[in-house]
Amino acid sequence: DGGITQSPKYLFRKEGQNVTLSCEQNLNHDAMYWYRQDPGQGLRLIYYSQIVNDFQKGDIAEGYSVSREKKESFPLTVTSAQKNPTAFYLCASSIQRQGPTEAFFGQGTRLTVV
Amino acid sequence: GESVGLHLPTLSVQEGDNSIINCAYSNSASDYFIWYKQESGKGPQFIIDIRSNMDKRQGQRVTVLLNKTVKHLSLQIAATQPGDSAVYFCAELGGTSYGKLTFGQGTILTVHP
Repeated sequence: DGGITQSPKYLFRKEGQNVTLSCEQNLNHDAMYWYRQDPGQGLRLIYYSQIVNDFQKGDIAEGYSVSREKKESFPLTVTSAQKNPTAFYLCASSIQRQGPTEAFFGQGTRLTVV
Repeated sequence: GESVGLHLPTLSVQEGDNSIINCAYSNSASDYFIWYKQESGKGPQFIIDIRSNMDKRQGQRVTVLLNKTVKHLSLQIAATQPGDSAVYFCAELGGTSYGKLTFGQGTILTVHP
């Protein structure tokens, strides 16, 4: 089945540790996105990538890093510099090859700092 | 700016009523808009989209209206059902064909049987 897959679904991290969230898509989409969602709030853009080997900061990039070495993959690392990392993280992708199109979302990763 | 500390507005309706969810967007250069539905613990799902050269688009039970003059979007859901209960977000893609997808604040819709 085609789609966008995030793993793991739940992730626990000790304070001071870096952790990497996986996002893979087999839709042949060019653009990929990472969002953070806090309880009862909207989606805030962390990073986005329009093409392989290129990415841009979103609105809340501090304490996060990404890479886009392959078209299918856009992993997000939550570093120890992120002061309040507990949140729901959503990855999305879209075609955007010939104009804007809707983004498709994964099912999210819930990160908890313990 | 960021919406840290803000909570989502709510809309409560009776089953069978029509629902209207509103969204104000910020970027006058945005040329593509999307409505998403998000159920608890899941990723957002696409509902309907509209491009800036249109002011209305209809889908199955849903209609999106775009007013570029006042930078306002609305989503109308006809004959609302309990399964429509969710959080609804508008999103905008700004200015160019390749750009960042930015989400609005969202609205919690609750449908009472």
